Amino acid sequence: EAGVTQFPSHSVIEKGQTVTLRCDPISGHDNLYWYRRVMGKEIKFLLHFVKESKQDESGMPNNRFLAERTGGTYSTLKVQPAELEDSGVYFCASSPEGLGETQYFGPGTRLLVL
Amino acid sequence: GENVEQHPSTLSVQEGDSAVIKCTYSDSASNYFPWYKQELGKGPQLIIDIRSNVGEKKDQRIAVTLNKTAKHFSLHITETQPEDSAVYFCAASRDSGGYQKVTFGTGTKLQVIP
Repeated sequence: EAGVTQFPSHSVIEKGQTVTLRCDPISGHDNLYWYRRVMGKEIKFLLHFVKESKQDESGMPNNRFLAERTGGTYSTLKVQPAELEDSGVYFCASSPEGLGETQYFGPGTRLLVL
Repeated sequence: GENVEQHPSTLSVQEGDSAVIKCTYSDSASNYFPWYKQELGKGPQLIIDIRSNVGEKKDQRIAVTLNKTAKHFSLHITETQPEDSAVYFCAASRDSGGYQKVTFGTGTKLQVIP
């Protein structure tokens, strides 16, 4: 069974540009999460989808970030316009329906905003 | 909200020695405590977890202890091997609106010296 995949693996952009990150969860997983880790700090929650619906987006930093999960399959996270402080590693995770289920993480997208 | 503190931030041990990573959490409603290992270029992978109704859990060379009263939990790795070198994250999770909300620590970079 394929794991969580993310694309691209790395992205280097200039301040003010737009970047779109993609996450493909494990097939059949209703829950999809986005997290971000800034160097040396904790893995911080951004938002949680249940199928195509946003269950919790309390961690989204500001309105420059837009996440979508059309059709309840893959998800995209767009940053527009990117700022220097957006640099970090963006992780996606997925889990099956239900409480207490393990979250399976993708390899992350390393974003550097110059 | 939940706050998870993790210590130390870096840890170097000789191969064969034990390694201990400690975490504290603030929310007494947290009831699930997973530990993740992140190897270079990969996403965090669950290595062991413990639920709040258990004080200790062991899986081969890895063990986790939980003290609910003190809100402490720890990861113990015995007989360390070079392949144990990685970044380890503790996390605390609680039921939130029917779903698990996970808060991570800041990570411990473990280096096992051959």
